[in-house]
Amino acid sequence: TQLLEQSPQFLSIQEGENLTVYCNSSSVFSSLQWYRQEPGEGPVLLVTVVTGGEVKKLKRLTFQFGDARKDSSLHITAAQPGDTGLYLCWGSSNTGKLIFGQGTTLQVKP
Amino acid sequence: KAGVTQTPRYLIKTRGQQVTLSCSPISGHRSVSWYQQTPGQGLQFLFEYFSETQRNKGNFPGRFSGRQFSNSRSEMNVSTLELGDSALYLCASSQQGVSNQPQHFGDGTRLSIL
Repeated sequence: TQLLEQSPQFLSIQEGENLTVYCNSSSVFSSLQWYRQEPGEGPVLLVTVVTGGEVKKLKRLTFQFGDARKDSSLHITAAQPGDTGLYLCWGSSNTGKLIFGQGTTLQVKP
Repeated sequence: KAGVTQTPRYLIKTRGQQVTLSCSPISGHRSVSWYQQTPGQGLQFLFEYFSETQRNKGNFPGRFSGRQFSNSRSEMNVSTLELGDSALYLCASSQQGVSNQPQHFGDGTRLSIL
């Protein structure tokens, strides 16, 4: 069974702190996507990474895809209360199989 | 451009009943996929429809079924409901499919089984 282990599962930090969320697998992905979901809403795509070693930035969010395309990280700088939500990573294997991380619930306190 | 619309937003059923959920994708999107989200299991893929044909299927029992109409709208049906079917059911649409494509999600249908 292919797994995408996401860590940490829960994170509660103060406004202004930095944090990193990880998604790790033994499988190789053709692409990996990160979504954020707020309570009562569906997930919203943040970024898609497809190239090993790729780094993408979205304002204070930095996404990295591992060189071997088996892992990814999301780093948030100077977190704000508006960053609060559930962060999901989602990988597509070379065979088209979808694999989801369990999600990281982030709470940023003012 | 209107987003993905799911109806109803909330639903309460009892064990043994059946339920049908509806999803209207973004105009022009031919792929509609369905997901079950629970606190314990997280997000799980149910199935994907593309041009009225089921293209991918997750590991759910046959009680979970779906269909897609010629206008790309999709329905999901769950028969003989069980307590464990209580979840948020999300649908997403995209132009070409679930792999390597951004998915546009609806806000989900919250299904509670009593």
